[in-house]
Formats: sequence, structure tokens, C-alpha cells
Amino acid sequence: KQEVTQIPAALSVPEGENLVLNCSFTDSAIYNLQWFRQDPGKGLTSLLLIQSSQREQTSGRLNASLDKSSGRSTLYIAASQPGDSATYLCAVKETSGSRLTFGEGTQLTVNP
Amino acid sequence: DTGVSQDPRHKITKRGQNVTFRCDPISEHNRLYWYRQTLGQGPEFLTYFQNEAQLEKSRLLSDRFSAERPKGSFSTLEIQRTEQGDSAMYLCASSFGQGATGYTFGSGTRLTVV
Repeated sequence: KQEVTQIPAALSVPEGENLVLNCSFTDSAIYNLQWFRQDPGKGLTSLLLIQSSQREQTSGRLNASLDKSSGRSTLYIAASQPGDSATYLCAVKETSGSRLTFGEGTQLTVNP
Repeated sequence: DTGVSQDPRHKITKRGQNVTFRCDPISEHNRLYWYRQTLGQGPEFLTYFQNEAQLEKSRLLSDRFSAERPKGSFSTLEIQRTEQGDSAMYLCASSFGQGATGYTFGSGTRLTVV
């Protein structure tokens, strides 16, 4: 059974800092990995999608990497802003089956 | 296309009542998923449809829960005889095929059972 772990569970940083969020998964037979952002009481907004054959994806100040063999992904946020404050979730889709398996998320607070 | 829509956004119900939620996926997407999320946790898979066929159900989906997607477009999730433990955010998502282009989630329905 796939298990996804996100570290740290919570992170508080001053504005302008670069930061890294970590995601690990137990079964490397993945189809793709997706990073989401969730604001309090809201749904999920997709940030980046990495296919199993890719090493990284970039969108603006966000960069996500994938090391399938070691079961790890990182989300790098450059020059953090207070508006980045949210919970960040990573989700893995396996090659077999249809479901996404989520981590518990990292709650990020960026202080002005 | 405005993305995945869910209705209602919030629902407060008394224990024992039945509730029904609706999800309208992205029109080109043939797969539709329901997830449940409790406070401080990641979403957990409940069930999914490919077109109108319900192809997989999680063990989390007790017999009080039923989902339909009658014409392969919108879907409904019904909870009968609600319990306090059903209080959660219910999220709907859709994808095209296996999800090679990712999953798109709606804004969710927050259920509170009192």
C-alpha cells in the first residue's frame, strides 16, 4: 500500500526566504506526482505536475523535483511572500489503479 | 469551462438526516472522483467513475454512502442517516483518462453534522 509522508508538518519563515518542502513515498511505481495548495476551508489548487519520466517542473517561483528511485519529491519556493501562506499537499498516482494518495500536508506561514 | 463545481459549499445537518452533494466536472473529463478530508489530514479516496460506471469504491465508503453519475456528466454523493463522524470536507475531482494531465479539484462541500 502506497504511503506518502510530508515533512515538516508546519513551517514558519520570514518573508523573502527560500524554502523547501519535502514529500516521500513508499512505492516507486508511480505514474505521476502532483503538488497542490490548499487555503483554509477551500479546495485544492494544482501547482505542479511531474510525470514519472521527468526530473523537475517549474512554474514561476516554484520548482518541483522528483527522484523516483529514492521515493522523494521536493517543492522549492523562492523568495517567499505572505500570500504563499497555505497548506501544501503532495499526491502520488500509481501506475496501477486510479486514485491519488495524499500526504498530510505542510502548513506554511510566511511572516511579513 | 469554469473548472470543477461543487454544490453546496457548506451544509449543516442534524444527525440522522440524509444529505446529497453535487459535483459538475470539467466537461472534457471522463473520470470523476470523490475524496473526503478531515481537519489536518490529506484527502482520502472514496470512489471514482469512468463515464457513468462506478469502477472503484474505498472501504471508507460505508453502506450509508452512495454515489451516482447517471449520464456520465455530473455526479451526486448521498449520505444517509448522517453521523457526527461524517463531518468533513467532501472534495470532487475530475481527470481525462488516467490523469496524465493531472487532476482538477473543486472547492469542496463542508459538511457539519450536529
